[in-house]
Amino acid sequence: GNSVTQMEGPVTLSEEAFLTINCTYTATGYPSLFWYVQYPGEGLQLLLKATKADDKGSNKGFEATYRKETTSFHLEKGSVQVSDSAVYFCASTNDYKLSFGAGTTVTVRA
Amino acid sequence: DAGVTQSPTHLIKTRGQQVTLRCSPISGHKSVSWYQQVLGQGPQFIFQYYEKEERGRGNFPDRFSARQFPNYSSELNVNALLLGDSALYLCASSLPGQGNYGYTFGSGTRLTVV
Repeated sequence: GNSVTQMEGPVTLSEEAFLTINCTYTATGYPSLFWYVQYPGEGLQLLLKATKADDKGSNKGFEATYRKETTSFHLEKGSVQVSDSAVYFCASTNDYKLSFGAGTTVTVRA
Repeated sequence: DAGVTQSPTHLIKTRGQQVTLRCSPISGHKSVSWYQQVLGQGPQFIFQYYEKEERGRGNFPDRFSARQFPNYSSELNVNALLLGDSALYLCASSLPGQGNYGYTFGSGTRLTVV
Protein backbone atom coordinates (compact mmCIF):
# COMPACT_ATOMS: atom_id res chain seq x y z
CA GLY A 1 0.00 0.00 0.00
CA ASN A 2 0.90 3.65 -0.08
CA SER A 3 2.96 5.29 2.63
CA VAL A 4 4.44 8.71 3.25
CA THR A 5 7.46 9.76 5.25
CA GLN A 6 7.93 13.40 6.14
CA MET A 7 10.54 15.40 7.96
CA GLU A 8 10.11 15.32 11.70
CA GLY A 9 9.68 18.54 13.59
CA PRO A 10 9.27 20.69 15.31
CA VAL A 11 10.58 23.42 13.07
CA THR A 12 11.02 26.93 14.46
CA LEU A 13 11.72 29.84 12.14
CA SER A 14 11.87 33.60 12.20
CA GLU A 15 9.46 35.63 10.11
CA GLU A 16 10.54 35.98 6.45
CA ALA A 17 12.75 32.89 6.65
CA PHE A 18 12.69 30.12 4.02
CA LEU A 19 10.73 27.00 4.88
CA THR A 20 11.18 23.54 3.46
CA ILE A 21 9.57 20.33 4.70
CA ASN A 22 10.74 17.10 3.10
CA CYS A 23 8.28 14.41 2.06
CA THR A 24 8.89 11.11 0.29
CA TYR A 25 6.37 8.50 -0.71
CA THR A 26 6.13 4.85 -1.62
CA ALA A 27 3.24 3.67 -3.72
CA THR A 28 1.98 1.19 -6.23
CA GLY A 29 0.92 2.93 -9.37
CA TYR A 30 0.79 6.69 -9.66
CA PRO A 31 -0.67 8.37 -6.61
CA SER A 32 -1.87 11.92 -6.27
CA LEU A 33 0.07 13.89 -3.66
CA PHE A 34 -1.14 16.53 -1.24
CA TRP A 35 -0.10 18.89 1.49
CA TYR A 36 -2.69 19.53 4.19
CA VAL A 37 -2.40 22.10 6.97
CA GLN A 38 -3.94 21.92 10.42
CA TYR A 39 -4.25 25.00 12.61
CA PRO A 40 -4.64 24.55 16.38
CA GLY A 41 -8.00 23.06 17.31
CA GLU A 42 -9.16 22.73 13.70
CA GLY A 43 -9.56 20.09 11.03
CA LEU A 44 -7.42 19.65 7.95
CA GLN A 45 -7.32 22.13 5.10
CA LEU A 46 -6.04 21.21 1.66
CA LEU A 47 -3.05 23.45 0.97
CA LEU A 48 -1.98 22.19 -2.46
CA LYS A 49 -1.99 19.11 -4.66
CA ALA A 50 -0.33 17.47 -7.65
CA THR A 51 -1.87 14.64 -9.59
CA LYS A 52 0.97 13.53 -11.87
CA ALA A 53 4.74 13.59 -12.20
CA ASP A 54 6.34 17.02 -12.69
CA ASP A 55 3.16 18.83 -11.64
CA LYS A 56 3.75 21.78 -9.34
CA GLY A 57 1.10 22.56 -6.77
CA SER A 58 1.00 26.06 -5.33
CA ASN A 59 -1.14 28.10 -2.95
CA LYS A 60 -0.63 31.01 -0.55
CA GLY A 61 3.06 31.23 -1.43
CA PHE A 62 3.66 27.52 -0.79
CA GLU A 63 4.91 25.25 -3.57
CA ALA A 64 5.64 21.54 -4.04
CA THR A 65 6.71 19.61 -7.13
CA TYR A 66 5.83 15.95 -7.78
CA ARG A 67 9.19 14.28 -8.42
CA LYS A 68 8.72 10.73 -9.62
CA GLU A 69 12.47 10.05 -9.99
CA THR A 70 13.11 10.82 -6.32
CA THR A 71 9.58 9.89 -5.10
CA SER A 72 9.40 13.22 -3.35
CA PHE A 73 6.98 16.11 -2.83
CA HIS A 74 8.84 18.65 -0.71
CA LEU A 75 6.96 21.71 0.55
CA GLU A 76 8.62 25.14 0.27
CA LYS A 77 7.81 28.74 1.05
CA GLY A 78 10.19 31.59 0.43
CA SER A 79 9.13 33.94 3.22
CA VAL A 80 7.06 32.64 6.11
CA GLN A 81 4.74 34.66 8.31
CA VAL A 82 3.60 34.15 11.89
CA SER A 83 0.23 33.08 10.51
CA ASP A 84 1.91 30.07 8.83
CA SER A 85 2.42 28.47 12.24
CA ALA A 86 0.59 25.15 12.02
CA VAL A 87 1.05 21.41 11.54
CA TYR A 88 1.70 20.35 7.96
CA PHE A 89 0.85 16.89 6.64
CA CYS A 90 2.03 15.28 3.45
CA ALA A 91 -0.39 12.70 2.01
CA SER A 92 -0.81 10.39 -0.96
CA THR A 93 -3.85 8.71 -2.40
CA ASN A 94 -4.85 6.02 -4.77
CA ASP A 95 -8.54 6.58 -5.37
CA TYR A 96 -10.29 6.15 -2.04
CA LYS A 97 -7.74 6.22 0.75
CA LEU A 98 -5.43 8.98 1.95
CA SER A 99 -2.18 7.93 3.60
CA PHE A 100 -0.69 10.66 5.79
CA GLY A 101 2.73 11.38 7.14
CA ALA A 102 3.16 11.98 10.87
CA GLY A 103 3.01 15.75 10.48
CA THR A 104 5.55 18.54 10.95
CA THR A 105 4.87 21.28 13.47
CA VAL A 106 6.05 24.68 12.25
CA THR A 107 6.33 27.68 14.54
CA VAL A 108 7.16 31.08 13.09
CA ARG A 109 8.40 33.76 15.49
CA ALA A 110 7.97 37.46 14.89
CA ASP B 1 -22.23 26.53 0.54
CA ALA B 2 -21.71 24.75 3.83
CA GLY B 3 -18.57 22.68 4.17
CA VAL B 4 -18.35 19.26 5.75
CA THR B 5 -20.16 19.44 9.07
CA GLN B 6 -19.57 17.12 12.00
CA SER B 7 -21.37 16.70 15.29
CA PRO B 8 -20.85 16.81 18.14
CA THR B 9 -17.65 18.87 18.32
CA HIS B 10 -16.58 17.39 21.63
CA LEU B 11 -17.75 14.59 23.85
CA ILE B 12 -16.59 12.61 26.83
CA LYS B 13 -17.44 8.95 27.27
CA THR B 14 -16.61 6.26 29.80
CA ARG B 15 -14.75 3.06 28.96
CA GLY B 16 -17.12 0.39 27.70
CA GLN B 17 -19.71 2.84 26.41
CA GLN B 18 -20.79 3.26 22.82
CA VAL B 19 -20.59 6.46 20.75
CA THR B 20 -22.10 7.71 17.49
CA LEU B 21 -20.50 10.48 15.49
CA ARG B 22 -22.23 12.24 12.62
CA CYS B 23 -21.10 13.81 9.37
CA SER B 24 -22.82 15.74 6.59
CA PRO B 25 -20.82 16.04 3.38
CA ILE B 26 -20.66 19.01 1.06
CA SER B 27 -23.74 19.22 -1.11
CA GLY B 28 -23.19 17.07 -4.22
CA HIS B 29 -20.46 14.97 -2.64
CA LYS B 30 -21.50 11.33 -2.51
CA SER B 31 -18.36 9.89 -0.97
CA VAL B 32 -17.67 10.11 2.78
CA SER B 33 -14.54 8.93 4.57
CA TRP B 34 -13.68 8.67 8.25
CA TYR B 35 -10.24 9.15 9.81
CA GLN B 36 -8.90 8.84 13.34
CA GLN B 37 -6.21 11.29 14.45
CA VAL B 38 -4.51 10.46 17.72
CA LEU B 39 -2.77 13.42 19.33
CA GLY B 40 0.60 14.08 17.74
CA GLN B 41 0.06 11.71 14.80
CA GLY B 42 -1.23 11.85 11.27
CA PRO B 43 -4.81 10.81 10.51
CA GLN B 44 -5.44 7.10 9.97
CA PHE B 45 -8.05 5.85 7.48
CA ILE B 46 -11.03 4.05 9.01
CA PHE B 47 -13.74 3.76 6.33
CA GLN B 48 -14.94 5.12 3.04
CA TYR B 49 -18.56 4.94 1.93
CA TYR B 50 -19.99 5.70 -1.47
CA GLU B 51 -23.65 5.37 -2.42
CA LYS B 52 -24.28 3.68 0.92
CA GLU B 53 -21.75 0.95 0.20
CA GLU B 54 -18.46 0.44 2.03
CA ARG B 55 -15.64 0.94 -0.45
CA GLY B 56 -12.73 0.47 1.89
CA ARG B 57 -11.83 -0.23 5.48
CA GLY B 58 -8.64 0.50 7.37
CA ASN B 59 -6.94 -1.58 10.02
CA PHE B 60 -9.48 -1.03 12.79
CA PRO B 61 -11.29 -3.61 14.93
CA ASP B 62 -14.89 -4.64 14.41
CA ARG B 63 -15.88 -2.33 17.27
CA PHE B 64 -15.79 0.38 14.61
CA SER B 65 -18.68 0.48 12.17
CA ALA B 66 -20.26 3.06 9.91
CA ARG B 67 -23.11 3.61 7.54
CA GLN B 68 -24.20 6.10 4.94
CA PHE B 69 -27.74 7.35 4.47
CA PRO B 70 -29.69 8.16 1.27
CA ASN B 71 -28.89 11.86 1.73
CA TYR B 72 -25.15 10.85 1.81
CA SER B 73 -24.68 11.81 5.45
CA SER B 74 -22.85 9.26 7.54
CA GLU B 75 -22.50 7.93 11.06
CA LEU B 76 -19.48 6.35 12.69
CA ASN B 77 -20.19 4.04 15.63
CA VAL B 78 -17.65 2.80 18.11
CA ASN B 79 -18.65 0.13 20.63
CA ALA B 80 -16.97 -0.93 23.87
CA LEU B 81 -14.86 2.20 24.04
CA LEU B 82 -11.24 1.94 25.15
CA LEU B 83 -8.99 4.67 26.49
CA GLY B 84 -6.99 4.35 23.27
CA ASP B 85 -10.01 5.42 21.23
CA SER B 86 -9.52 8.96 22.50
CA ALA B 87 -8.77 10.97 19.38
CA LEU B 88 -9.99 13.55 16.89
CA TYR B 89 -12.34 11.85 14.43
CA LEU B 90 -12.37 13.51 11.04
CA CYS B 91 -14.88 13.16 8.25
CA ALA B 92 -14.00 13.98 4.65
CA SER B 93 -16.04 14.13 1.48
CA SER B 94 -15.32 14.25 -2.23
CA LEU B 95 -17.09 14.13 -5.55
CA PRO B 96 -17.44 10.66 -7.06
CA GLY B 97 -14.18 9.59 -8.65
CA GLN B 98 -12.53 12.83 -7.60
CA GLY B 99 -10.61 11.57 -4.61
CA ASN B 100 -7.39 11.97 -6.53
CA TYR B 101 -8.06 15.69 -6.61
CA GLY B 102 -8.45 16.05 -2.88
CA TYR B 103 -10.86 15.61 -0.04
CA THR B 104 -12.54 18.29 2.03
CA PHE B 105 -12.38 17.69 5.76
CA GLY B 106 -14.68 18.74 8.55
CA SER B 107 -13.45 20.25 11.80
CA GLY B 108 -13.72 16.92 13.56
CA THR B 109 -15.20 15.46 16.73
CA ARG B 110 -12.89 15.37 19.72
CA LEU B 111 -13.65 12.16 21.66
CA THR B 112 -12.24 11.69 25.12
CA VAL B 113 -12.64 8.29 26.81
CA VAL B 114 -12.17 8.28 30.57
